[in-house]
Amino acid sequence: GAGVSQTPSNKVTEKGKYVELRCDPISGHTALYWYRQSLGQGPEFLIYFQGTGAADDSGLPNDRFFAVRPEGSVSTLKIQRTERGDSAVYLCASSWSGRAGDTQYFGPGTRLTVL
Amino acid sequence: GQQLNQSPQSMFIQEGEDVSMNCTSSSIFNTWLWYKQDPGEGPVLLIALYKAGELTSNGRLTAQFGITRKDSFLNISASIPSDVGIYFCAGHGRSGGSNYKLTFGKGTLLTVNP
Repeated sequence: GAGVSQTPSNKVTEKGKYVELRCDPISGHTALYWYRQSLGQGPEFLIYFQGTGAADDSGLPNDRFFAVRPEGSVSTLKIQRTERGDSAVYLCASSWSGRAGDTQYFGPGTRLTVL
Repeated sequence: GQQLNQSPQSMFIQEGEDVSMNCTSSSIFNTWLWYKQDPGEGPVLLIALYKAGELTSNGRLTAQFGITRKDSFLNISASIPSDVGIYFCAGHGRSGGSNYKLTFGKGTLLTVNP
């Protein structure tokens, strides 16, 4: 596709449930990023993939959060035992190579609501 | 961690007016970026700045990378209704691992009255 796509666009779940959020980056982009945006805040970095490997997962808030990118393209962010505080918009971005000069292109995000 | 202080938090202006917003940091940044986010969308890059002192324009938008590398401003001239949205500053820091992860400000909500 022409841009970064994310599915679902909205996800409502109950506290304690498991959720998966999917990101389809721009074709050919080796770098992929996940950010989380809480209401009234700017996006906050979660994890960065270079190819298939997670080069930096220092932004993941705790071990309930995990992300994979098995074939170096599509990525899935997985959240176990969801809590109400996990409610936010989860943004995915991709860039050509991951170097500082590369533009990060963002998807529309997945709005997660934990009841 | 690194933080960006963005101001003002919100602005209400009349169509045709000029707008200015700025961002400061307690630490040095290697790049400064300005993004716009519309409701239900992800941020879209408006302007990227890579050198201290750099002044860059993109249509009615002008942004500058501060000499100290700790600040940046964005100006919008002759505002129009479609300028409505949330504007974010962002940057890459100098500490290890920061050449790829972006740090964002909290955003400036711009409302333009026609």
